[in-house]
Amino acid sequence: GEDVEQSLFLSVREGDSSVINCTYTDSSSTYLYWYKQEPGAGLQLLTYIFSNMDMKQDQRLTVLLNKKDKHLSLRIADTQTGDSAIYFCAEIREGTALIFGKGTTLSVSS
Amino acid sequence: NAGVTQTPKFRILKIGQSMTLQCTQDMNHNYMYWYRQDPGMGLKLIYYSVGAGITDKGEVPNGYNVSRSTTEDFPLRLELAAPSQTSVYFCASSLQGVGEKLFFGSGTQLSVL
Repeated sequence: GEDVEQSLFLSVREGDSSVINCTYTDSSSTYLYWYKQEPGAGLQLLTYIFSNMDMKQDQRLTVLLNKKDKHLSLRIADTQTGDSAIYFCAEIREGTALIFGKGTTLSVSS
Repeated sequence: NAGVTQTPKFRILKIGQSMTLQCTQDMNHNYMYWYRQDPGMGLKLIYYSVGAGITDKGEVPNGYNVSRSTTEDFPLRLELAAPSQTSVYFCASSLQGVGEKLFFGSGTQLSVL
């Protein structure tokens, strides 16, 4: 099947905003997700958005969804060094399985 | 409540050997998944199960087998290990289905030499 696409790297300074972009493939995906992976650990759910929403805000996190273009983005406000991790977007494909993008490595410098 | 537990954490195999990666969850989740993670390639779904006795192929099932005889356990079997199977393997589970939060294990790092 087609891949869920993400840029591989993003480098920001502490205090700046980070925007991680994703293009997904399955327009019938009822939810779209952002997972975070810290070094040596499994993935943890960061946030998600229901497919009938355009935007979801959760503290420093803002998720934007453009269904027409199948584009999902994650904005992290006031990025901290503790936000350094790999961020994966994911879609539900054919209603049965969660398919992940390749992941975006976020590097935050102080 | 341990969540999702994977064993072993690390393993080195010789080409052609076989092994089983263990995964168990104590949350009474119906859905369980196996993913492999290769550098720069993200996670690829190997197999999944929607309940005891039911398994199905994911994106990259070749070279692997699974079984789901109980709700708790979802072992992944590698027969005739190949260098291409060098990867980090993650087991995950969710309560009711794919639309729910996945809980991940801490991973098994496997090298096939």
